[in-house]
Amino acid sequence: KAGVTQTPRYLIKTRGQQVTLSCSPISGHRSVSWYQQTPGQGLQFLFEYFSETQRNKGNFPGRFSGRQFSNSRSEMNVSTLELGDSALYLCASSLVPEPSYGYTFGSGTRLTVV
Amino acid sequence: AQTVTQSQPEMSVQEAETVTLSCTYDTSESDYYLFWYKQPPSRQMILVIRQEAYKQQNATENRFSVNFQKAAKSFSLKISDSQLGDAAMYFCAYRNLMANSKLTFGKGITLSVRP
Repeated sequence: KAGVTQTPRYLIKTRGQQVTLSCSPISGHRSVSWYQQTPGQGLQFLFEYFSETQRNKGNFPGRFSGRQFSNSRSEMNVSTLELGDSALYLCASSLVPEPSYGYTFGSGTRLTVV
Repeated sequence: AQTVTQSQPEMSVQEAETVTLSCTYDTSESDYYLFWYKQPPSRQMILVIRQEAYKQQNATENRFSVNFQKAAKSFSLKISDSQLGDAAMYFCAYRNLMANSKLTFGKGITLSVRP
């Protein structure tokens, strides 16, 4: 059974550009969450999607957005990149968004903004 | 708002020895979940152990066990018979019982294992 797949694994972008990150959940999982990991702020929740609807959102500016497709795959987009957006972006999937069902994380996308 | 605190940034343990990683949290909820995740250099967060707050019994998974002190809001992880493969960052995390709730993580602790 394939795990959570995140692409690309590494990404280098220039300040001001935009970027799209992709996450394919475990087959059958319908809930996808995104987290940003930085050395300074640690792990912070970005958003959660279930059945193509955003169900929860963290405290991030509107430059951060996401979506989920009918096959449960999810993308997150960051527009007008800033140096501070350099981070490891982790995606996690779950069967449904109930806390009793655990998350399975992917290996992340390392974004570097120069 | 819930907070999770891991006050020790780094710890080291001798192979085959036992080590305890500390975690405290703050919440006004009476029921919730607590987790320990491991993040090796591969970057993938791996669930080590989970504790449901309404269960009095401490969770155990092979060499990993927790000491859950609900009144003190403390949740420490004990790793017995430490192995080289246990070297990683360990994160303590909290999640309340609501659907769509997020994980709140501590800052993490880097564990090194000396051969």
